[in-house]
Amino acid sequence: NAGVTQTPKFQVLKTGQSMTLQCAQDMNHEYMSWYRQDPGMGLRLIHYSVGAGITDQGEVPNGYNVSRSTTEDFPLRLLSAAPSQTSVYFCASSRKDRGHGYTFGSGTRLTVV
Amino acid sequence: KQEVTQIPAALSVPEGENLVLNCSFTDSAIYNLQWFRQDPGKGLTSLLLIQSSQREQTSGRLNASLDKSSGRSTLYIAASQPGDSATYLCAVRPWTGNQFYFGTGTSLTVIP
Repeated sequence: NAGVTQTPKFQVLKTGQSMTLQCAQDMNHEYMSWYRQDPGMGLRLIHYSVGAGITDQGEVPNGYNVSRSTTEDFPLRLLSAAPSQTSVYFCASSRKDRGHGYTFGSGTRLTVV
Repeated sequence: KQEVTQIPAALSVPEGENLVLNCSFTDSAIYNLQWFRQDPGKGLTSLLLIQSSQREQTSGRLNASLDKSSGRSTLYIAASQPGDSATYLCAVRPWTGNQFYFGTGTSLTVIP
C-alpha cells in the first residue's frame, strides 16, 4: 500500500549515542516533515523539506539533522542522544499544493537512557 | 504564532450517543484544517480535510464544520460506537509557511 514508512518502530539509545530514523514515502510528495509528540505538548515540527536538496528548521530543531537527497527519503539524525529526546517521532508528507493534507507514518518510539 | 486548542482533553460517552469535538485556533488566516484520529501507540489517520473556503465536510458518520471568522471547527460523530474510541486531533495549515499547527487532542472513550 502507498504511504509513509518509518523504521525502526522502537529504539532504545544510551545518552551520547547517535542514530538515524528512516522515513520513506512512495506517493511522490514534495513536502516531507518530522514531528515529535510528547504528552501534553502536541506535535511539534523538528525539520521539514519542500523538495530534494532543500531542508529547513521547524520549531524544535536543536540536536537533530536532516538531509533530502531524493524525493522519497527524509532521514532524521540524532547527533548525540539526550534523555530530553525521548519521544515518539512521526514523519509526514504532503503534496506541495497547499490544498492537500498530511499523510503520516506509524511513528518511531525512542527512549534515551 | 498560531495556537490550537482542543477542549475537553478527555470525553466519555455511552454507545449510540451523538457527540461534538471542538477545535479552536487563534489566527483565522488558515489555508485548511485537518482532523485526525490516533489510536494508542499508532500513527495519525486522516479523517477529514476542510479547505478555508468550505463550511463543512462529511465522511460517513463524521461531519466537520469550519468557522474561520470565529476561529473554530467542530467534528460531529453520529451514533458513536466503541470502535470510535481514540484520540482526535485537529491541525491547521496557515495561509503562509509550511507548518501545520496541532492541538493536543481529545481522548474519546465510547462505553458499550
